[in-house]
Amino acid sequence: SQQGEEDPQALSIQEGENATMNCSYKTSINNLQWYRQNSGRGLVHLILIRSNEREKHSGRLRVTLDTSKKSSSLLITASRAADTASYFCATGSNNNDMRFGAGTRLTVKP
Amino acid sequence: DAGITQSPRHKVTETGTPVTLRCHQTENHRYMYWYRQDPGHGLRLIHYSYGVKDTDKGEVSDGYSVSRSKTEDFLLTLESATSSQTSVYFCAISESGTGAFAQPQHFGDGTRLSIL
Repeated sequence: SQQGEEDPQALSIQEGENATMNCSYKTSINNLQWYRQNSGRGLVHLILIRSNEREKHSGRLRVTLDTSKKSSSLLITASRAADTASYFCATGSNNNDMRFGAGTRLTVKP
Repeated sequence: DAGITQSPRHKVTETGTPVTLRCHQTENHRYMYWYRQDPGHGLRLIHYSYGVKDTDKGEVSDGYSVSRSKTEDFLLTLESATSSQTSVYFCAISESGTGAFAQPQHFGDGTRLSIL
């Protein structure tokens, strides 16, 4: 069963706009990761945030984690057509378990 | 890109036949993982390895076995393939350190397996 659930399932925006994707989960976690997947390719790691962290940045990406609400968000600023992909959150637990959500499909229109 | 090669990239086979998928890495990473990806399910962990000859089950391990005789190779075997095992299979690796699932994983480009 999935641990993380992304919201929305699909998102379509114009180039230059910001994109926000959310991830909710049910049980305690050790860390939460975000990945990107282009069509026909493997997943690419974006950011890992540990349970004692609240926010991390990497270039145009900002990830927040709220363990009290069991949720995380991924913000992509000034989006580009090349950001078109599926984005997945994955939760890592202390019992050697990792669960991926079903993903958010992002389309950035030029 | 991390040095991960999956083979074959595509395979079509019949129900009841054995199938082996191979993952080869050139990064000397300790941990290796096999996932399957199906529409609406995200990725689900099948098995993982934390060292040579050290493996453990994941969420959906029934019907699958794995072997790791060398650091660089992790094999996934379907002893008797069924149509429900039609999927895209991904191999991933991660470095040693704080433990499995506590570090970024690097993925291969997948094997598309169809079982008729």
